[in-house]
Amino acid sequence: KAGVTQTPRYLIKTRGQQVTLSCSPISGHRSVSWYQQTPGQGLQFLFEYFSETQRNKGNFPGRFSGRQFSNSRSEMNVSTLELGDSALYLCASSSGPHGETQYFGPGTRLLVL
Amino acid sequence: AQTVTQSQPEMSVQEAETVTLSCTYDTSESNYYLFWYKQPPSRQMILVIRQEAYKQQNATENRFSVNFQKAAKSFSLKISDSQLGDTAMYFCAFTNSTTGTASKLTFGTGTRLQVML
Repeated sequence: KAGVTQTPRYLIKTRGQQVTLSCSPISGHRSVSWYQQTPGQGLQFLFEYFSETQRNKGNFPGRFSGRQFSNSRSEMNVSTLELGDSALYLCASSSGPHGETQYFGPGTRLLVL
Repeated sequence: AQTVTQSQPEMSVQEAETVTLSCTYDTSESNYYLFWYKQPPSRQMILVIRQEAYKQQNATENRFSVNFQKAAKSFSLKISDSQLGDTAMYFCAFTNSTTGTASKLTFGTGTRLQVML
């Protein structure tokens, strides 16, 4: 099976812009979670989608949003970018919402200038 | 709130030797899952091993094994016969089994492991 894919892999934006990141889960996986990784804050959970519904959300401002499509692909959007949004954004998929193992994609590295 | 603590920011080991990475966690849940992930310089997060809290037997995956002490809330990773390819950042992670929150992984701060010739 193909692994989790994320596009784009690298992105440079300027403050105030918005960005959309995409994640395609492993075939058959219906749960997609997003994480932000920064040197200062480490790995932090953003949100999780299962069957097109957001089931869980971390402590991030409303500028961070996401959605999931019927084919389980997911997108996350960050509006009004700030310098502090520079990070590696990781997507993970799992077969279900009950603690099943999450498999990660390669990440999207976002740099905000 | 659950917390995961990795008290060793950096460790090194000689090739072919054994190394143990420490992890402690805090939770009031009775059933949960624990994981070790490795993140090499490529930044791809790779699953190393998984442990279900209701299972008393320690998980093993080839050269990787864990010492799971539920009462002490300790979950250490032992790497035997270390190889250069084991050089990576290792993260301990926790999730509970409650529907609706079981997808949220809580990570420790990581241990950077360097395997030396």
